[in-house]
Amino acid sequence: GEDVEQSLFLSVREGDSSVINCTYTDSSSTYLYWYKQEPGAGLQLLTYIFSNMDMKQDQRLTVLLNKKDKHLSLRIADTQTGDSAIYFCAGKAAGNKLTFGGGTRVLVKP
Amino acid sequence: EAGVTQSPTHLIKTRGQQVTLRCSPISGHTSVYWYQQALGLGLQFLLWYDEGEERNRGNFPPRFSGRQFPNYSSELNVNALELEDSALYLCASRLRDRNSPLHFGNGTRLTVT
Repeated sequence: GEDVEQSLFLSVREGDSSVINCTYTDSSSTYLYWYKQEPGAGLQLLTYIFSNMDMKQDQRLTVLLNKKDKHLSLRIADTQTGDSAIYFCAGKAAGNKLTFGGGTRVLVKP
Repeated sequence: EAGVTQSPTHLIKTRGQQVTLRCSPISGHTSVYWYQQALGLGLQFLLWYDEGEERNRGNFPPRFSGRQFPNYSSELNVNALELEDSALYLCASRLRDRNSPLHFGNGTRLTVT
């Protein structure tokens, strides 16, 4: 099945860019997703990318996909304190379920 | 448009008891997924329901079960609760198109003592 891995923690200064990285194993994943989880809340869908795309931009968010290396990244431009959260990448595996990485905790320092 | 709603928001149960969690999907969504988010263990896939049928289940014992109703809402039942069942239980729904993204509710926090 799909395995998805992420780094555990990222600290960034307010106003800087954040880059969160993710690697996955299942090359047949058709869509890859980024979710955000704030304390005490569920997961909020941020963006997703189809596997035949290399890049997708949505306001402050840029997703880059390197299919050869099975590497996905999420860049947040002009990071704000409200961006402090846990970010999950996810890929769709066989059996039509999403498999999630362990999450990257992003701490934005003023 | 209302999002995915889950009830209750918090629940405290004793080991050995049974619990039922409820989920209402976004209007127009037909598939419902359940995930368990235990502390330090990430999100683990539990169950997938589509058109009233269980389509897939994760690596959980049979005491985890559920169903989906004709209005596409869903219940998750956990029997014979164990301490390690303490977790946030998240429900998600999506449109009939299998490539549409999952939208999550805010979860039910279950504490087993």
